[in-house]
Amino acid sequence: AQSVTQLGSHVSVSEGALVLLRCNYSSSVPPYLFWYVQYPNQGLQLLLKYTSAATLVKGINGFEAEFKKSETSFHLTKPSAHMSDAAEYFCAVSVQSDMRFGAGTRLTVKP
Amino acid sequence: KAGVTQTPRYLIKTRGQQVTLSCSPISGHRSVSWYQQTPGQGLQFLFEYFSETQRNKGNFPGRFSGRQFSNSRSEMNVSTLELGDSALYLCASSSNPTTGEAETQYFGPGTRLLVL
Repeated sequence: AQSVTQLGSHVSVSEGALVLLRCNYSSSVPPYLFWYVQYPNQGLQLLLKYTSAATLVKGINGFEAEFKKSETSFHLTKPSAHMSDAAEYFCAVSVQSDMRFGAGTRLTVKP
Repeated sequence: KAGVTQTPRYLIKTRGQQVTLSCSPISGHRSVSWYQQTPGQGLQFLFEYFSETQRNKGNFPGRFSGRQFSNSRSEMNVSTLELGDSALYLCASSSNPTTGEAETQYFGPGTRLLVL
């Protein structure tokens, strides 16, 4: 079955700094990949998704992710962090409606 | 378009009781998935329903069950509650049922269950 590993359970950046959240996947078939964000006491909100159309995927709130098949990675980036970006981020892989999530990365943004 | 709604939002039960949670998907969505989220185990897939049929099932005991109605609304039931069932239960709906195509899941706010 497919799986996802998120490197780093906690990431802390300064406001205005680059955000980089790492995600590696494992799948025996071409996967569909997603990044979700979860704010406290809320459900998950889709940031972006990779569906094989383009390797660089742009999402909401200035986030983007690049699919690298050779590295089995789908890292999430944002050039300049805002205080409002503080949340938990989940990478997920889906194969035929079976979606598996990573353990999550909690992003802290320091003023 | 209204989002995914879940009721109730909060629930307190005692060990041994049973509980039923409800999820109304986005209008037109036919697939509903359920997840359990806990600090220790993270997000774990419970099951997925499509057109009133369970299409996928995660690794949970038989105390966890679900169903989907003809209007795509779904319920999940947990019988004989245990302390470890305390969690946030998330429901997600998706529109594209075709095997092999990306199915973007849209999540509800969750039901927070506390078992005492």
